[in-house]
Amino acid sequence: ETGVTQTPRHLVMGMTNKKSLKCEQHLGHNAMYWYKQSAKKPLELMFVYNFKEQTENNSVPSRFSPECPNSSHLFLHLHTLQPEDSALYLCASSQAGTGEPDTQYFGPGTRLTVL
Amino acid sequence: GQNIDQPTEMTATEGAIVQINCTYQTSGFNGLFWYQQHAGEAPTFLSYNVLDGLEEKGRFSSFLSRSKGYSYLLLKELQMKDSASYLCAIMDSNYQLIWGAGTKLIIKP
Repeated sequence: ETGVTQTPRHLVMGMTNKKSLKCEQHLGHNAMYWYKQSAKKPLELMFVYNFKEQTENNSVPSRFSPECPNSSHLFLHLHTLQPEDSALYLCASSQAGTGEPDTQYFGPGTRLTVL
Repeated sequence: GQNIDQPTEMTATEGAIVQINCTYQTSGFNGLFWYQQHAGEAPTFLSYNVLDGLEEKGRFSSFLSRSKGYSYLLLKELQMKDSASYLCAIMDSNYQLIWGAGTKLIIKP
């Protein structure tokens, strides 16, 4: 099983749809992250969970709703998105708080297109 | 404000050496990361620098000068598979990663 997996890899949805993105990490890490990657722009941190508790929400619109049921799984629930939300959504995990570099390991991403 | 600058795109020849620069201004510094991202794939970790100096790892080396807010990634003996985007990221005082927009490296035969 590869380190961080994401499903689906590609998603096309209308503005009125509800969908969810799933992320699973098999690395035994305690922190998980959602990022948005748009073309030629820096990675934008959306949400951070440490030990299943949300510790960061970088002013993300409420149409994005994260859920972290346990330290291995992370979801991003999508509702009434806008075309400008079309992007690559990346999940990452890390082992935070060990005193070692907090290296993040990424999944392959979900390419989202909002029509 | 926080700012990380990298060139948008660079081109190099197979077998040559290329240096990708990154300059930064951030609120606090807890280390600098370089990641490689092939098109349509996940970013993968390359290197971490927290002290000044050069870190060498095979064909790749990363340098840091904290006083100058400057880093570079040096790639030697370039191979076609090195064609990718290279992302510079700073861990700030809140231990969050602040990312540059990435440098797309094109390798020509």
